[in-house]
Amino acid sequence: GQQLNQSPQSMFIQEGEDVSMNCTSSSIFNTWLWYKQDPGEGPVLLIALYKAGELTSNGRLTAQFGITRKDSFLNISASIPSDVGIYFCAGHLTGGGNKLTFGTGTQLKVEL
Amino acid sequence: GAGVSQTPSNKVTEKGKYVELRCDPISGHTALYWYRQSLGQGPEFLIYFQGTGAADDSGLPNDRFFAVRPEGSVSTLKIQRTERGDSAVYLCASSPRSSGANVLTFGAGSRLTVL
Repeated sequence: GQQLNQSPQSMFIQEGEDVSMNCTSSSIFNTWLWYKQDPGEGPVLLIALYKAGELTSNGRLTAQFGITRKDSFLNISASIPSDVGIYFCAGHLTGGGNKLTFGTGTQLKVEL
Repeated sequence: GAGVSQTPSNKVTEKGKYVELRCDPISGHTALYWYRQSLGQGPEFLIYFQGTGAADDSGLPNDRFFAVRPEGSVSTLKIQRTERGDSAVYLCASSPRSSGANVLTFGAGSRLTVL
């Protein structure tokens, strides 16, 4: 089963607002990844993090790999309608080989 | 191909029937993964192939589930004696590297409904 706790479960925000979501685990992860999934599609990679403390940006998205290696957050600045979707954190567990463990997802809805 | 291709996109079957789901990974990708996503949940790992061999099948829920990749490219996920609880979206992903922190590219999934 899944081992990543993701919050919030859903968010309903106004266009132009900043968004923050996070992911925590009781286990240590070697990598953290953030994916976005639109209805009827597979998850699409947004940002990949490989080192503890790493802060990486991709356009309006910024993500950080927590120092303890047990958490990560994703920020979206100045949200737009196409940001709507479900965001998943995922990671490779220490000793877990090549399989990714996914969080439960944060559903983002943007009000115009 | 340009992306990961999965067929069928939708499959409706009756309890007890046999089902095959196909995945065509990105050309040249050596690693292939199967995940299962239930409604409202994140994807859950099923099995991982490196080339033709299953390197990790620890996520397969029971012996009704089996997957093959005979030529190291296309993979087929096979489910015997389907149960209603098998209903989910089955996602395939591929990656260009066999080790390390791989970045997976996912297909759109095959939605399986067992009546």
